[in-house]
Amino acid sequence: GAVVSQHPSWVICKSGTSVKIECRSLDFQATTMFWYRQFPKQSLMLMATSNEGSKATYEQGVEKDKFLINHASLTLSTLTVTSAHPEDSSFYICSAARHESNTEAFFGQGTRLTVV
Amino acid sequence: SQQGEEDPQALSIQEGENATMNCSYKTSINNLQWYRQNSGRGLVHLILIRSNEREKHSGRLRVTLDTSKKSSSLLITASRAADTASYFCATLDQTGANNLFFGTGTRLTVIP
Repeated sequence: GAVVSQHPSWVICKSGTSVKIECRSLDFQATTMFWYRQFPKQSLMLMATSNEGSKATYEQGVEKDKFLINHASLTLSTLTVTSAHPEDSSFYICSAARHESNTEAFFGQGTRLTVV
Repeated sequence: SQQGEEDPQALSIQEGENATMNCSYKTSINNLQWYRQNSGRGLVHLILIRSNEREKHSGRLRVTLDTSKKSSSLLITASRAADTASYFCATLDQTGANNLFFGTGTRLTVIP
């Protein structure tokens, strides 16, 4: 089956530092990857959509300069939270859509970010 | 963007009983997936049902899909305490361009 791996699964960082989260499709090529943020007891909110080799499309209200997304290859997308603040503490989840059909997307395990 | 919702939002049952959760959506789809999320943890893929399928089974899970009503249901039979989690449905629209994730999920509590 399709496997999407996120790394790290959890991270604690100091305010003002940057954190990079990786999302990898392990056994398929992903044309499109999606990044979500989940607040406690709430659903996932789509932050941005990235296509391999092009700039990400951000949802309204998401700061593109704060949440840098790079989709450099068909198996890897990264989300960098720049100059993190405590309010950025959240659960971040990616999903990847298969290259061949682009009709299936699978979610990673998620990354819990805590900014202190 | 999110266009659907799961119901009920919360469900509490005794161990051994069956649990049924529903998901509705608004776009045309190629497939629909169900995920489980334990509290504070990541998502676990449970099952995928394609738009040309009406029912699918996997162990104690049974998923139905009614594309005319744009709805899906997840049935967990003979529930166990370990089934306690939140359950979400998710899909791509037919263009594959938008990954949709619906609602706040159904919070299932199975009482031992």
